[in-house]
Amino acid sequence: GAGVSQTPSNKVTEKGKYVELRCDPISGHTALYWYRQSLGQGPEFLIYFQGTGAADDSGLPNDRFFAVRPEGSVSTLKIQRTERGDSAVYLCASSLQGPNTEAFFGQGTRLTVV
Amino acid sequence: DQQVKQNSPSLSVQEGRISILNCDYTNSMFDYFLWYKKYPAEGPTFLISISSIKDKNEDGRFTVFLNKSAKHLSLHIVPSQPGDSAVYFCAAKRTSNTGKLIFGQGTTLQVKP
Repeated sequence: GAGVSQTPSNKVTEKGKYVELRCDPISGHTALYWYRQSLGQGPEFLIYFQGTGAADDSGLPNDRFFAVRPEGSVSTLKIQRTERGDSAVYLCASSLQGPNTEAFFGQGTRLTVV
Repeated sequence: DQQVKQNSPSLSVQEGRISILNCDYTNSMFDYFLWYKKYPAEGPTFLISISSIKDKNEDGRFTVFLNKSAKHLSLHIVPSQPGDSAVYFCAAKRTSNTGKLIFGQGTTLQVKP
């Protein structure tokens, strides 16, 4: 596609449930990032993939959060036992090669945990 | 520990005037700085960047200034247009690192016609 695509755009889930958020990066981009943006804050880094491997997962808040990118393209962010504090906009970005190339963001998935 | 700070949550300017958005950082290891613009329900879009080896970068109506000794950067928009109304995020990174961006909290710019 032309840009980074994230699905769903909105997700409402009950506390304690499991959710999956999908990111489809720009074709050919090897680097993929996940960020989380809470209300009134800037995006916060969660995890960085170079190809299929997670090169930096230092931003994942706890072990309820996990992300995969099995074929080096689409990535899925998985959240187990969701809590109300997980409510935020989850942003995905991709770049051609990584650290020294521009990152392009998707529109985000707004997650609401009720 | 907020490594990148935008201390002004909002800014309002008249169309045609200059908009100045400010950003401070604490980590001297940052060597690349970026500004992103965000409209509601959209992801951030890249606006302009500057390497730490420079003190100014200009692109059309947008200019970013970097003062390394003060750990301060600013974005100037001249002249401001109503379509510039958006949230502006300052971000920083270490290019020797993974490329992860550290963002400020954002400044909401309103340009009045």
